[in-house]
Amino acid sequence: GENVEQHPSTLSVQEGDSAVIKCTYSDSASNYFPWYKQELGKGPQLIIDIRSNVGEKKDQRIAVTLNKTAKHFSLHITETQPEDSAVYFCAAGTNTGNQFYFGTGTSLTVIP
Amino acid sequence: DTGVSQDPRHKITKRGQNVTFRCDPISEHNRLYWYRQTLGQGPEFLTYFQNEAQLEKSRLLSDRFSAERPKGSFSTLEIQRTEQGDSAMYLCASTPGLAGALGTGELFFGEGSRLTVL
Repeated sequence: GENVEQHPSTLSVQEGDSAVIKCTYSDSASNYFPWYKQELGKGPQLIIDIRSNVGEKKDQRIAVTLNKTAKHFSLHITETQPEDSAVYFCAAGTNTGNQFYFGTGTSLTVIP
Repeated sequence: DTGVSQDPRHKITKRGQNVTFRCDPISEHNRLYWYRQTLGQGPEFLTYFQNEAQLEKSRLLSDRFSAERPKGSFSTLEIQRTEQGDSAMYLCASTPGLAGALGTGELFFGEGSRLTVL
């Protein structure tokens, strides 16, 4: 089955700085890579996703890059704000989305 | 509120007791998923339904676990003879169709039901 590894497990940045979270996956059949943000006491919420036919996708301060050859993908948050503080999960899935395999999460703290 | 609703939000039980969680998906979402999340880990897939049919189950879903979605709307997850290792957050998610690369992509999660087994 798919194995998704995520690093770092914790990340602290100063407000306004950038944050980068990296994930690797093992199954070459995976072609869909979402990122979820989970705030305390809440369920995960999708913030951005990328399909394997695209190498990069950007949405305002958030961007995701994908390297299919190396089987890794990354989340980039620029101009971080305190409200970006949360746990972020990467995941990998396939065409049908019957299962998503999640990473172990990165706890991001943005220091005002 | 038209999001995914889960009940109860918190459940404390003694080892050996049975517990049941309920999930009400977003209306018209025909796919419903159950995930388990332990502290410091990402969600782990347990099972999913398309309408009332349970189409896939993880090996994590031992025979003490059973899930149903009798009318293709709400779903229940029952854990029999609970063990301390069952302590976790049980997350429900729904999608209007395919959730992967060919679909809409997004899993809409509820806020979870936290189980503590003493």
